[in-house]
Amino acid sequence: AQKITQTQPGMFVQEKEAVTLDCTYDTSDQSYGLFWYKQPSSGEMIFLIYQGSYDEQNATEGRYSLNFQKARKSANLVISASQLGDSAMYFCAMRKSPSGGSYIPTFGRGTSLIVHP
Amino acid sequence: DTGVSQDPRHKITKRGQNVTFRCDPISEHNRLYWYRQTLGQGPEFLTYFQNEAQLEKSRLLSDRFSAERPKGSFSTLEIQRTEQGDSAMYLCASSPPLNPRGNEQFFGPGTRLTVL
Repeated sequence: AQKITQTQPGMFVQEKEAVTLDCTYDTSDQSYGLFWYKQPSSGEMIFLIYQGSYDEQNATEGRYSLNFQKARKSANLVISASQLGDSAMYFCAMRKSPSGGSYIPTFGRGTSLIVHP
Repeated sequence: DTGVSQDPRHKITKRGQNVTFRCDPISEHNRLYWYRQTLGQGPEFLTYFQNEAQLEKSRLLSDRFSAERPKGSFSTLEIQRTEQGDSAMYLCASSPPLNPRGNEQFFGPGTRLTVL
């Protein structure tokens, strides 16, 4: 069974500073994918970034980067130059790669990020 | 707007009543997912369609829940004999057949259900 752990229920960061949101995972699969989603107060889940387990380089999407440490089974999200609009819930998720079967992701409990001006 | 849409956005019902939610995915997305999200939790998978076929269903989904996607386009989720524990946000997501970003899912705004 797959499991995602997000140990930080809440994080605070000053505007324009960088912040790291932690995510650890547990799986016996060799091939899997890791995702981060943002959920603002409006409720809609917004895709941020994806990392495949066989990708050699850490994924980056604009101000978002994923610090992937496979041996430690961690996939931390780094947001650089935080903006007030980054205040939201952030969810880490994992699923088997398509070749491994299921497309269904398992989500963590989320981390609430508040960006202060 | 060509994103995933859900209707209604809010539903208040009395315990024991039946409710039905609708999800319209992004056109040409062949995969459709339903999730339930309660306060302080991440989305919890309920069921998954590829085209009109329901391929996976969570063991957490009781017999009171049923979902359909009759023509491989929109989907409905019905909850029969609602209970107070069914109060949650019900999220729908869709994804295309091929996606370089690991089969990223596109989520709708959700339907918030309150069972009195």
